[in-house]
Amino acid sequence: NAGVTQTPKFQVLKTGQSMTLQCAQDMNHNSMYWYRQDPGMGLRLIYYSASEGTTDKGEVPNGYNVSRLNKREFSLRLESAAPSQTSVYFCASTPYPSTDTQYFGPGTRLTVL
Amino acid sequence: DAKTTQPTSMDCAEGRAANLPCNHSTISGNEYVYWYRQIHSQGPQYIIHGLKNNETNEMASLIITEDRKSSTLILPHATLRDTAVYYCIAPSKGYSTLTFGKGTMLLVSP
Repeated sequence: NAGVTQTPKFQVLKTGQSMTLQCAQDMNHNSMYWYRQDPGMGLRLIYYSASEGTTDKGEVPNGYNVSRLNKREFSLRLESAAPSQTSVYFCASTPYPSTDTQYFGPGTRLTVL
Repeated sequence: DAKTTQPTSMDCAEGRAANLPCNHSTISGNEYVYWYRQIHSQGPQYIIHGLKNNETNEMASLIITEDRKSSTLILPHATLRDTAVYYCIAPSKGYSTLTFGKGTMLLVSP
């Protein structure tokens, strides 16, 4: 099992450009999450999907959209990137929504110039 | 989530036990205590969790005080690879998200 995978690993964007961060898990988990982590800070939840077909906002959803494409995949889209979105983005999954043991991907380092 | 308080940083000599404290005085009776760690540039990794009783697994031991207001994560024989930020979390039941604070930066030195 690969666990949680994320693509790309690194990305540089110019202000105003758009991009989609991809996340996939092969553990048959129902719930998936997107976090961002700024330097010296803890993780902050952007969006989550408790189950296939549902998505909910987290702590910092502004400027982002998500799609739960199927049970395996959960993507995060930046429609018009801003320098404030420079961060490391982590995807995570859990078997069920109330399960607190989360499995994280390796992260995507995004720089917006 | 119950508020948790951890020291900003700690040092430990390689081969010694690392004891990482966490205060969670507002924890509710049915809220577990979870510990994760994040090695530099990697995603967070689950370590252990507990409710009332002490817990042990292949990575660490978790000691929870009888009043459940604090806990200690113990790495019995710390190695250089245990250098990481350690997060103590007490998630509210019924919620499907975790709140990660700033954690404790543990530096294991030779």
